[in-house]
Amino acid sequence: GQNIDQPTEMTATEGAIVQINCTYQTSGFNGLFWYQQHAGEAPTFLSYNVLDGLEEKGRFSSFLSRSKGYSYLLLKELQMKDSASYLCAVILGNIKAAGNKLTFGGGTRVLVKP
Amino acid sequence: EAGVTQFPSHSVIEKGQTVTLRCDPISGHDNLYWYRRVMGKEIKFLLHFVKESKQDESGMPNNRFLAERTGGTYSTLKVQPAELEDSGVYFCASSPIRRGGQDEQFFGPGTRLTVL
Repeated sequence: GQNIDQPTEMTATEGAIVQINCTYQTSGFNGLFWYQQHAGEAPTFLSYNVLDGLEEKGRFSSFLSRSKGYSYLLLKELQMKDSASYLCAVILGNIKAAGNKLTFGGGTRVLVKP
Repeated sequence: EAGVTQFPSHSVIEKGQTVTLRCDPISGHDNLYWYRRVMGKEIKFLLHFVKESKQDESGMPNNRFLAERTGGTYSTLKVQPAELEDSGVYFCASSPIRRGGQDEQFFGPGTRLTVL
């Protein structure tokens, strides 16, 4: 089966940095997504990694190591509005297909305190 | 540009009843996905349409679930008859077709289904 693990919950202070880890053991791999989801709202896209290395987008960065089956999402200069769930999701199927389903981890709820 | 919309936002029904969920994808997105999150679990894939064709329905739990996408625009997901374990949040997502590389999927806000 497919296994994608992330911590259930993390707490951090406003202005600080938080790193959310995601490990995966899957048959096949064609990329990893991070989504942010505020309570009662739609998940929204944050980042996509398919090659090893770090992708930086403003306060958010995402890292991937395919050999280790590991990714992390780094949130810098935390703001209160960053309190949300962060979802790690893997694409397993044929990268040349018209589209592919996402396989999700359980999500990490991040609480930012003043 | 309008995002993915879902209707209704909430539905409370009794066991044995029928419910139909609707998803309107972003205009021009040929890929449409249905996912479900039951309490305390991860979001799980149900099925994938490319235009009006079912590309992958490996995640559909059983034959009480029927998804359609006539005309390749909006989609409906019918649960008949509903059981207690069908309670959860049903998400719809859409993306354009792209050969090579991956496009992000755009999610709707979900329909929260409660079966009593």
